[in-house]
Amino acid sequence: GQSLEQPSEVTAVEGAIVQINCTYQTSGFYGLSWYQQHDGGAPTFLSYNALDGLEETGRFSSFLSRSDSYGYLLLQELQMKDSASYFCALGGFKTIFGAGTRLFVKA
Amino acid sequence: NAGVTQTPKFQVLKTGQSMTLQCAQDMNHEYMSWYRQDPGMGLRLIHYSVGAGITDQGEVPNGYNVSRSTTEDFPLRLLSAAPSQTSVYFCASSYRGQGDAEAFFGQGTRLTVV
Repeated sequence: GQSLEQPSEVTAVEGAIVQINCTYQTSGFYGLSWYQQHDGGAPTFLSYNALDGLEETGRFSSFLSRSDSYGYLLLQELQMKDSASYFCALGGFKTIFGAGTRLFVKA
Repeated sequence: NAGVTQTPKFQVLKTGQSMTLQCAQDMNHEYMSWYRQDPGMGLRLIHYSVGAGITDQGEVPNGYNVSRSTTEDFPLRLLSAAPSQTSVYFCASSYRGQGDAEAFFGQGTRLTVV
């Protein structure tokens, strides 16, 4: 089967950089995605890595290493509005999500 | 462009009742899926469809049925509601299921079974 592991909570200061890690187990997948979800809201797409390496989208970057079964989401210049839950997901017809990382941004 | 529309937004059921959660998308996406979200457990895949007439089970399919008669609609049926099915349900769609396309989520249906 497939499984993903993420830290349950991360706390950082406004303006700082934070990295959310994701390790996974799978027999095969198309890529690793990241989603953001604010309380009471729906998940929204942030980033996708089909190949190893770094993908940058504004303040957000995502990294994938297939050989290490590892990826991360990097958030720079943290803002209060970045306080939310972040999910990594293994892409495929059965898209499987991790349990999520709750990010608290403090002033 | 409405995106993914789920109805109802809130629902309270009694144990044993049945109901259908509606999901419609207007983006002509081939791939649609249903997830449930419980506190601390992320999103768990219930059922998914790769096109009209084709459905398959996800991680937690028991107690739920789906059908896909059109590209636009992907309803989720609870056959006999149980308190364990109290959850937030999300429908999602994407152009392809290979993970190389953004998944769009509906706003969710908050279901309570008493």
